[in-house]
Amino acid sequence: KNEVEQSPQNLTAQEGEFITINCSYSVGISALHWLQQHPGGGIVSLFMLSSGKKKHGRLIATINIQEKHSSLHITASHPRDSAVYICAPNTGNQFYFGTGTSLTVIP
Amino acid sequence: NAGVTQTPKFRILKIGQSMTLQCTQDMNHNYMYWYRQDPGMGLKLIYYSVGAGITDKGEVPNGYNVSRSTTEDFPLRLELAAPSQTSVYFCASSYPQTRGDGYTFGSGTRLTVV
Repeated sequence: KNEVEQSPQNLTAQEGEFITINCSYSVGISALHWLQQHPGGGIVSLFMLSSGKKKHGRLIATINIQEKHSSLHITASHPRDSAVYICAPNTGNQFYFGTGTSLTVIP
Repeated sequence: NAGVTQTPKFRILKIGQSMTLQCTQDMNHNYMYWYRQDPGMGLKLIYYSVGAGITDKGEVPNGYNVSRSTTEDFPLRLELAAPSQTSVYFCASSYPQTRGDGYTFGSGTRLTVV
């Protein structure tokens, strides 16, 4: 049983498109992280959410605690957004990771 | 501000050898973590620590040991290396999970056991 389900697994978009990545989880959580892993392997934390919505530049993350669902949106996508995006909810002492969404943005 | 520093970046070990992966953070984060990422796979938690003197097992702790004698340092020890431990290892740190801006990751250690 997977505690975290991400969709889609792979996504190819044209530059400028609006992108949505979804994350559903089955556990009661303290917080949920969205991570970005670039092709070179480095991992960057994009957002930490415990409720509502956060925005940083062209990135928006939302969470619905009742529905156990989070989304990551990228507006006006750019080739430099090409990366693997990972949803990572946790309960405070249990840490879960989605398998990631591989995004490729084509110029 | 260095963030999270991992050493070494690359290492090749022979089966049965031991080594320590070093991790240091300078952000005064309470929490520190060790993850491994196998080729084409997601992150798996090996061990974590919520503060100096406190460590807990994650999903895949077998074959590894950790210690947390200071807030800054969280070394990961591999005893009797096996080919199944070939992976990329990431150290990370954070404040307690309900505050702060999330994880800060080190740049990773690519380990090959032959």
